[in-house]
Amino acid sequence: AQKITQTQPGMFVQEKEAVTLDCTYDTSDQSYGLFWYKQPSSGEMIFLIYQGSYDEQNATEGRYSLNFQKARKSANLVISASQLGDSAMYFCAMREDDDDKIIFGKGTRLHILP
Amino acid sequence: ETGVTQTPRHLVMGMTNKKSLKCEQHLGHNAMYWYKQSAKKPLELMFVYSLEERVENNSVPSRFSPECPNSSHLFLHLHTLQPEDSALYLCASSQASGGYNEQFFGPGTRLTVL
Repeated sequence: AQKITQTQPGMFVQEKEAVTLDCTYDTSDQSYGLFWYKQPSSGEMIFLIYQGSYDEQNATEGRYSLNFQKARKSANLVISASQLGDSAMYFCAMREDDDDKIIFGKGTRLHILP
Repeated sequence: ETGVTQTPRHLVMGMTNKKSLKCEQHLGHNAMYWYKQSAKKPLELMFVYSLEERVENNSVPSRFSPECPNSSHLFLHLHTLQPEDSALYLCASSQASGGYNEQFFGPGTRLTVL
């Protein structure tokens, strides 16, 4: 079974609008971390935001926020006031506490329209 | 230099060639990773080294041979590759274990096998 599910292969959003990228995860661990990465066309993977399973508040980093709903095992990324430079591939990922590796979803390709 | 560096950034090789990809991290991490990213396919974890020991090898063909001489350096030795091995190869590093430890990625090596 997939541990990280991103159901939106692609999205088109008008510039300056907010956008929500969906992510659900599957784990039986109580302690884990959730991450979002951005991959522009250049190929590099850029870390955006982190949410710990025990964090009571949703993580925020500038225009990025993570809508963490633990009971639903959901960790959606919200980008406020989208910009043309936000066009990229976005990956949701999870790391269980006793694991050396991070598990990635298949990604969502976001297109920001002028 | 800071962060995670990879060389070369681009590589074109024939099927009979032998080449090596290099990754270096300057973050004091003790775990390093190789990923393969093919067009239209999700990120594939190839190898994980934690504390300089290989802890995971996801059934990668033997024509890919990793080497981790110390916690700062990771190599991927390539020989007799196939055209389907053409992809973006990403190196990452992190602290071993701990759900809160994000991975930092290098810029990748774009490999083309002729």
